[in-house]
Order: sequence, then structure tokens, then C-alpha cells
Amino acid sequence: AQTVTQSQPEMSVQEAETVTLSCTYDTSESDYYLFWYKQPPSRQMILVIRQEAYKQQNATENRFSVNFQKAAKSFSLKISDSQLGDAAMYFCAYRTLNAGGTSYGKLTFGQGTILTVHP
Amino acid sequence: KAGVTQTPRYLIKTRGQQVTLSCSPISGHRSVSWYQQTPGQGLQFLFEYFSETQRNKGNFPGRFSGRQFSNSRSEMNVSTLELGDSALYLCASSRGSNYEQYFGPGTRLTVT
Repeated sequence: AQTVTQSQPEMSVQEAETVTLSCTYDTSESDYYLFWYKQPPSRQMILVIRQEAYKQQNATENRFSVNFQKAAKSFSLKISDSQLGDAAMYFCAYRTLNAGGTSYGKLTFGQGTILTVHP
Repeated sequence: KAGVTQTPRYLIKTRGQQVTLSCSPISGHRSVSWYQQTPGQGLQFLFEYFSETQRNKGNFPGRFSGRQFSNSRSEMNVSTLELGDSALYLCASSRGSNYEQYFGPGTRLTVT
């Protein structure tokens, strides 16, 4: 079974600065997806960024980028130019890519990191 | 395009009762997954439905069940409620395999 670990229960950052959230995972599979989701106080889970394990290039979405280290099973999220609206709980998640090239929907989540942004 | 909707948003039930939660996916999405979120256990996968078939199930007791209708709307049912079933229940939909999941706002269930 796959496991996802987020070792930082809480992080804080000053507005406009950069913060990195850590995530490690354990799997015996070679093909899979990794995600970062954001859950603000409204509780609506929002997809931030996605990484396919077979892609060596790190995914980037505007101010959000990842550092994907497949051998180390590490998947960190970097938020640049932090904004007050980035304050939320961030979850790292894993999803299997089945051998047939399809991926069933089960997401395995880490415990989450609460990010506080100070003005 | 409308997002994933879940009804009701809040629910209070008594121990021993049963409850049904509903999820309407984004139009065109055929896959619906359910998750339970609690402070102690975090986010845990309940089950996934695709084209009315359950194709994956998490490690939950048989009291938790679900189904999907031909219009892709899904319901989950919890029978004989226990205090520990108090949680935020999240539904997510996707177009299918290899596509991102989009989450609904959740149903907050409180069991007293």
C-alpha cells in the first residue's frame, strides 16, 4: 500500500516571500501521479498542481512549482511571492497509474500542512 | 460550467440512525469518488464509482455503501450511525481515468 507523509504540520511565511512544503511517499510502483491540493477555511478542496511520475520535468503553475525527486520519493511544493489568499491547509496526494494506462480514482493523502501567511 | 455539488451541506443525526448524502458531478464527468475527512484520521478514501459500477473501495465497514445513477449522480449511505462517523464527507468527480478530480464543498455530518 502507498503512504504519503507530510512532516510539517504547520508552516508560516511573510507575504511576498517564498515557502516550501515537504512531502515524501512510499510506493513500489513505477508509474503514478502526485498532486498538491489546497483546502482553505471554506473546506473546498482545490487542485494546485499535478506531476506525472514518468515526466522528469518539474511541474509549474504560475507561482507554484514542485521539486520532484523520484529516486528519493520526495515531492515538495514551492510557493513564490506568497499572497494572503494562499493561507490554507495543503495536502500532498498520490494516485496509482494502472498498468493498462488507466488510473482509478483513489487518492492517498498526507496529513496536511497548515500554511499561515503573515502580512 | 457548474462545479460539483453536494447536498445537504450540514446534517445532524443521532447515533443508530442512517443517513444518505448526495453528490452531483460536473456535467460530463462519469467518475465519482467519496472521501471522509476527520481531524484524527485525515482524508480517507471511501469508494469510487464509474459508469454506475463501484471499481474501488476503501477500508471502511459495510455500514458505508454507495451507488451511482445513470446520470452519474452518486449517493452514499451510512447505516447505524456511530459517534465516530462525524466527519466532513467530500465527493470528487472526474471525466474518468487519467483526469484530475474536482471536489465538492462537502457535507458536514455530526452524529450525537
